[in-house]
Amino acid sequence: DTAVSQTPKYLVTQMGNDKSIKCEQNLGHDTMYWYKQDSKKFLKIMFSYNNKELIINETVPNRFSPKSPDKAHLNLHINSLELGDSAVYFCASSQDMGTWEQYFGPGTRLTVT
Amino acid sequence: GENVEQHPSTLSVQEGDSAVIKCTYSDSASNYFPWYKQELGKGPQLIIDIRSNVGEKKDQRIAVTLNKTAKHFSLHITETQPEDSAVYFCAATVTGNQFYFGTGTSLTVIP
Repeated sequence: DTAVSQTPKYLVTQMGNDKSIKCEQNLGHDTMYWYKQDSKKFLKIMFSYNNKELIINETVPNRFSPKSPDKAHLNLHINSLELGDSAVYFCASSQDMGTWEQYFGPGTRLTVT
Repeated sequence: GENVEQHPSTLSVQEGDSAVIKCTYSDSASNYFPWYKQELGKGPQLIIDIRSNVGEKKDQRIAVTLNKTAKHFSLHITETQPEDSAVYFCAATVTGNQFYFGTGTSLTVIP
């Protein structure tokens, strides 16, 4: 069984479109995250949810909106896509915030043309 | 917030040699230091971690050392193999907080 899954794996879209990426974890974890990894491989945290509550909201354009319908799911919706949004987006989960192993999903490669 | 620096950004070693990656952190309150390995096309995966009450931890060919006074920690890989080729990330955090990742090291093991 896949611990943290994301869909889709690849997403190619045009500027100005709206798209969503879905994430699900079957580990029973309380905390979920979204990370952005750019072409230089930098891993930048975007959001963190703990028990469906937003905990971390880094300096991210408000075109990005996370939604957590339940503890096992954290989706990312992006409005008015821009070229600079092209990156790999990783979902992750951990038992709790802080000193717990984070389990990463396989990533979603978003390409904005 | 925490600032984690990682060096080198790229590292090439001959198969069988050792590889060392170093990280420094700024927040003396940080108490957990994991290392993640990211293979091509995959998400990062934890390979080893160390907590602030321990100076060294070893798992087969991988070891991590922590110097709290100097605020740096290192990953040591001995007897490197081609399958060790990947991007490695260090991170630091304190209880209840987010991970602060280093900028990554691309390791290439040359057969």
